[in-house]
Amino acid sequence: AQSVTQLDSQVPVFEEAPVELRCNYSSSVSVYLFWYVQYPNQGLQLLLKYLSGSTLVKGINGFEAEFNKSQTSFHLRKPSVHISDTAEYFCAVIFVGGYQKVTFGIGTKLQVIP
Amino acid sequence: DTEVTQTPKHLVMGMTNKKSLKCEQHMGHRAMYWYKQKAKKPPELMFVYSYEKLSINESVPSRFSPECPNSSLLNLHLHALQPEDSALYLCASSHPDRDQPQHFGDGTRLSIL
Repeated sequence: AQSVTQLDSQVPVFEEAPVELRCNYSSSVSVYLFWYVQYPNQGLQLLLKYLSGSTLVKGINGFEAEFNKSQTSFHLRKPSVHISDTAEYFCAVIFVGGYQKVTFGIGTKLQVIP
Repeated sequence: DTEVTQTPKHLVMGMTNKKSLKCEQHMGHRAMYWYKQKAKKPPELMFVYSYEKLSINESVPSRFSPECPNSSLLNLHLHALQPEDSALYLCASSHPDRDQPQHFGDGTRLSIL
């Protein structure tokens, strides 16, 4: 079965500390991977994407993610978080052959503590 | 500022009203999407238009009626909605190629009385 799992519904972290938000997927076909951020009362903003090539991808706002095919993971990291990073983060997958359908994880709420 | 513009930002309507949500993009994208998002949940796909033709309908009730009048515009016509239809409605667009990310608007917050 094809699925996306975000194991942590909430992640509290102190300001200026590093953070990792976890995303795993299950698929028998190739995948394209994305991370989106949603601030309160806003839509989803694309943070970064993995389509092919280098497995380490850098995105906006200092975030990066690494595609690990053997572990079917695409974890999001930031070395030092700011208060402004408090938001909901969604991992999203397109399963190749799935034609325009994006499967979202349930989301992880990142709460940055001053 | 997002490149996908949705109007109105907020909408309150009764169950017997008819209203429309509008979405506009000028990025040259030929695929456009409607999603429904409930609080603390991920977006759920409702409809996909590709080259102005409806390509995916995720078994959405007929009280939701999408329309794509041209390559830049997407409407969602609402009629006889139920209280459980209260949600954030998001529009997105992308190139129709499957490996392109979708760009989202800020949504319309819909409340059904």
